[in-house]
Amino acid sequence: DSGVTQTPKHLITATGQRVTLRCSPRSGDLSVYWYQQSLDQGLQFLIQYYNGEERAKGNILERFSAQQFPDLHSELNLSSLELGDSALYFCASSVVGLAGPYEQYFGPGTRLTVT
Amino acid sequence: AQTVTQSQPEMSVQEAETVTLSCTYDTSESDYYLFWYKQPPSRQMILVIRQEAYKQQNATENRFSVNFQKAAKSFSLKISDSQLGDAAMYFCAYRSVLNDMRFGAGTRLTVKP
Repeated sequence: DSGVTQTPKHLITATGQRVTLRCSPRSGDLSVYWYQQSLDQGLQFLIQYYNGEERAKGNILERFSAQQFPDLHSELNLSSLELGDSALYFCASSVVGLAGPYEQYFGPGTRLTVT
Repeated sequence: AQTVTQSQPEMSVQEAETVTLSCTYDTSESDYYLFWYKQPPSRQMILVIRQEAYKQQNATENRFSVNFQKAAKSFSLKISDSQLGDAAMYFCAYRSVLNDMRFGAGTRLTVKP
């Protein structure tokens, strides 16, 4: 158990809908990262938050948005869903968001299926 | 932009033998961090080993070690005394000092009993 929690574990929804994925980082971790893993593919970095502020952005679609709240949990919002958005969405956290070899600890992921 | 390439989509090793997984990356930065993550069938991402680019010494974690060649931009993972539990997808990852993390496409490792 990495200490990072994600809810829900599974999510099935229809095209055009909007969903929210939730992540709680490990205790003490200020940084939260979101990744997308499509079937049998590598991980695509979406976005990073550090202590409530956006710190880095990857290949995140405009239909997707995220935020980190004062209690440090984070939410990833996916809207106008398309079939291609079906994937495993990971949240990871690390001690700090600045330079350093601090490894990221991954949650179990949320499997999103868009039908 | 940094890219990470894992040229071996699949690898196979006999139990108790040694296997090496390859990873190359492209970057113009001099300071960065490299990682190997393991993803078993449960899909959980598990950190295997990490390497700071400024360190010349190769990292080692029990049966796992890396061969870091900075000039060649190569970061291979060696698994010694392979065990059935080592069977998984292995991802090489590059992290810049700005925290942008890039993953390779992965190598699926099969361990034969």
